[in-house]
Amino acid sequence: AQSVTQLDSHVSVSEGTPVLLRCNYSSSYSPSLFWYVQHPNKGLQLLLKYTSAATLVKGINGFEAEFKKSETSFHLTKPSAHMSDAAEYFCVVAHSGAGSYQLTFGKGTKLSVIP
Amino acid sequence: ETGVTQSPTHLIKTRGQQVTLRCSSQSGHNTVSWYQQALGQGPQFIFQYYREEENGRGNFPPRFSGLQFPNYSSELNVNALELDDSALYLCASSLGVGVENYGYTFGSGTRLTVV
Repeated sequence: AQSVTQLDSHVSVSEGTPVLLRCNYSSSYSPSLFWYVQHPNKGLQLLLKYTSAATLVKGINGFEAEFKKSETSFHLTKPSAHMSDAAEYFCVVAHSGAGSYQLTFGKGTKLSVIP
Repeated sequence: ETGVTQSPTHLIKTRGQQVTLRCSSQSGHNTVSWYQQALGQGPQFIFQYYREEENGRGNFPPRFSGLQFPNYSSELNVNALELDDSALYLCASSLGVGVENYGYTFGSGTRLTVV
């Protein structure tokens, strides 16, 4: 079974400092991994995805994530936080079953950015 | 090109009632997936429809049912509402079934409150 664990429910950083949101995954085969962001009263927006190509994945708004198979991790980073980055972030693993594709979400990490 | 539209945005129902939530998929998208997001949790997969057929279902009871229409819009129906059904219901559309290749576009969701 596929699953993801987001290690922090809440992360608080000062504006201009680096962001690190941690995610570990469990998968019986090479996974497809994603990070989504959810702003209040908005839908989920894809930040980036890993699908067995380059292990360092660059996404939108300066975010990137590194797939580390030995550590079963897919941490999300950004060199410098902006106020607009304050939102809920979800680490997601995709898997197929009986013809459908399902996304399994972590519980989310709420990112607060302090001015 | 319009995105995914969900209606209504908010809804209050009484325990035991039935509810229908609606989703208009992005133009050209033939696949719709529904997710339930309880407060403080990540979204959970309910089911997926591809070309008007259900092709995958998560761990939800039969009182959760759906439809997809020839224009690929979709409905989620929930019978015999329970208090635990209170959640944000998200619809995602895609050009095909595989999220790795096609990507999902999420709507902003319907907030259902059961009292």
